[in-house]
Amino acid sequence: GQNIDQPTEMTATEGAIVQINCTYQTSGFNGLFWYQQHAGEAPTFLSYNVLDGLEEKGRFSSFLSRSKGYSYLLLKELQMKDSASYLCAVVLPLYGGATNKLIFGTGTLLAVQP
Amino acid sequence: DAGVTQSPTHLIKTRGQQVTLRCSPISGHKSVSWYQQVLGQGPQFIFQYYEKEERGRGNFPDRFSARQFPNYSSELNVNALLLGDSALYLCASSLVDGSSNYGYTFGSGTRLTVV
Repeated sequence: GQNIDQPTEMTATEGAIVQINCTYQTSGFNGLFWYQQHAGEAPTFLSYNVLDGLEEKGRFSSFLSRSKGYSYLLLKELQMKDSASYLCAVVLPLYGGATNKLIFGTGTLLAVQP
Repeated sequence: DAGVTQSPTHLIKTRGQQVTLRCSPISGHKSVSWYQQVLGQGPQFIFQYYEKEERGRGNFPDRFSARQFPNYSSELNVNALLLGDSALYLCASSLVDGSSNYGYTFGSGTRLTVV
C-alpha cells in the first residue's frame, strides 16, 4: 500500500521558522508536491520536487531525499496568514505511466500565534 | 484566465439520492482529476481523465462514475448516496500528467452534505 506520514498539528510564533516533515513509502514516485489549504478552500500550489535537494521560493523552501523517502517544507518569517493546513502529496504513475495521480498525507494543521 | 470552475459550491442531498458535480478545467488543460476530501483528512483520488478517456480510478465503489466531454469539462456522478459520502469534492486540472512545476490546479470544490 501507499503510506504518507506528516504531523497532525504544529504551533509556531509569528516571525519564527517552522519545518513540516513528510515521510513516504510508495510504489512509484514521479515527484512530490506541497500544497497550502485554508479551511474550506482549495489546495494551492507551494512547491514541487522531483530531484534530491532544496527548492527555494521566497519565504518557502522544500527539500527532498528520494533515498530516504523524506521531504520537508520550511516556512520562514511566519505570518498570521500562514495559519492553514499543509498537504504533502506524492505523484504516482497510473496505468501505462502516461498519466499520474496524487496520494496525499492527512495534512499538518499549522497555527501561527502572535 | 479563469481558474478551475466547479459547480455547485454547496449541495445538500438525502440518503439514497443521486448527485452530479461539474468541473471546467483551465483553458488548454486536457486532464481532469477528481478527489474526495473528508473533514480533517487529505484528499483521496477518485478518477483521472485525459483526452476524454478514463486513465485511472481510485478505491471507490461503482456508485461513483465520471466522464469527460469534448470541451474537456467533466462530471462526477454519485448514486445511492450514503452519509459517508459527505465531503468536499475537488476537481484538479493539469496540462497532461501534472508531474511538473505547472502541477495541478484545484477548484474551490463542491461541499456535499448527505442527510
